[in-house]
Amino acid sequence: SQQGEEDPQALSIQEGENATMNCSYKTSINNLQWYRQNSGRGLVHLILIRSNEREKHSGRLRVTLDTSKKSSSLLITASRAADTASYFCATDENGNKLVFGAGTILRVKS
Amino acid sequence: GAGVSQSPSNKVTEKGKDVELRCDPISGHTALYWYRQSLGQGLEFLIYFQGNSAPDKSGLPSDRFSAERTGGSVSTLTIQRTQQEDSAVYLCASSLVQGPYGYTFGSGTRLTVV
Repeated sequence: SQQGEEDPQALSIQEGENATMNCSYKTSINNLQWYRQNSGRGLVHLILIRSNEREKHSGRLRVTLDTSKKSSSLLITASRAADTASYFCATDENGNKLVFGAGTILRVKS
Repeated sequence: GAGVSQSPSNKVTEKGKDVELRCDPISGHTALYWYRQSLGQGLEFLIYFQGNSAPDKSGLPSDRFSAERTGGSVSTLTIQRTQQEDSAVYLCASSLVQGPYGYTFGSGTRLTVV
């Protein structure tokens, strides 16, 4: 089953601009996580936000969570060419496993 | 080890043959997960282990798929009588314990069935 749905499917921006990706999910969650994937291989964990948190920062990343709307957003500020990747949100399902969305493909042009 | 290791990194097999994919999790990580990713798609959950037991096998697509984990460490995903639709990247991840922790992923095995 697919829990998270990312939006947009693809995003192309210039280096230095901010990139915003959104994720919507269907059921109640304990936490929501964001991952990055380069070149279709292993995913890298970026940030985790718990259901009782509304906003979290890590370096150039800012994540918000709105449990009333069942949605989250990932903001990457001052983007760099190296940020080019696919970004996935993932939600825990029954606290057992993560269910991933289809991802947003981000391209940062230099 | 320092990270999650998967082998082989690439595997090309003929339709009908069996394949084994291996995952070495981070030492001490009790939870281990297998996912499958078809080209341009999201991750599809297959199975997870807590220690050597698999409380959730709900994602295995058919009885041709099986997985085991021994010694609370290495896991093997076996696909019998491979079909072309099995072609995908198979990703393994581990986490310290089951629960709200980030996963560490391996680089995956790209399986191509010809």
